[in-house]
Amino acid sequence: DIVLTQSPALAVSLGQRATISCKTNQNVDYYGNSYMHWYQQKPGQQPKLLIYLASNLASGIPARFSGRGSGTDFTLTIDPVEADDTATYYCQQSRNLPWTFGGGTKLELK
Amino acid sequence: EVQLVESGGGLVQPGRSMKLSCAASGFTFSNYGMAWVRQAPTKGLEWVATISYDGSSTYYRDSVKGRFTISRDNAKSTLYLQMNSLRSEDTATYYCTRDGPTLERDYWGQGVMVTVSS
Repeated sequence: DIVLTQSPALAVSLGQRATISCKTNQNVDYYGNSYMHWYQQKPGQQPKLLIYLASNLASGIPARFSGRGSGTDFTLTIDPVEADDTATYYCQQSRNLPWTFGGGTKLELK
Repeated sequence: EVQLVESGGGLVQPGRSMKLSCAASGFTFSNYGMAWVRQAPTKGLEWVATISYDGSSTYYRDSVKGRFTISRDNAKSTLYLQMNSLRSEDTATYYCTRDGPTLERDYWGQGVMVTVSS
């Protein structure tokens, strides 16, 4: 199984940049695409897709969110951070079954 | 508007069975693969099972293989998860999700809670 590793928590100030990392133990690239996706989950709610294929913004997601990376190293950036961004962020790979998720990074405000 | 509405959860004793349903609307259900993803209380997300758009292919995580069955009724736009021989470790919120073009989970239901306890 592909293992995805995320830092458990991150604290940033309003208006600053938040960078959330996700590292995999296997390459998730295939034919020029990185099969890495990012989700936001607020307390008591279902997850919501933010980014697909490492860097593509999902429909309706503000441009403050961006993703980059390839191979085994990926980042989700939120710039600038707003109060509504407090949530847990998960990465997920769809390169190989079983599809796996990172453990999640809880974003808090300083 | 895409909507996925799960039902069928609740409290069940270990070793018993439960069947979850997910009613889909707002898109052509028969064109999309679907999957169940679960989340144990205070834990992260875990893929459970997936089914192709026509039901011809199914895949399961090892821990549920032989116990869970994913199925669909395209005429009713409904996804199912039959769960047998339930264990305490199956306690979780179960989400119905839709496949995006690159197998991202592009839409999620609100989730249904399953509690396995005596």
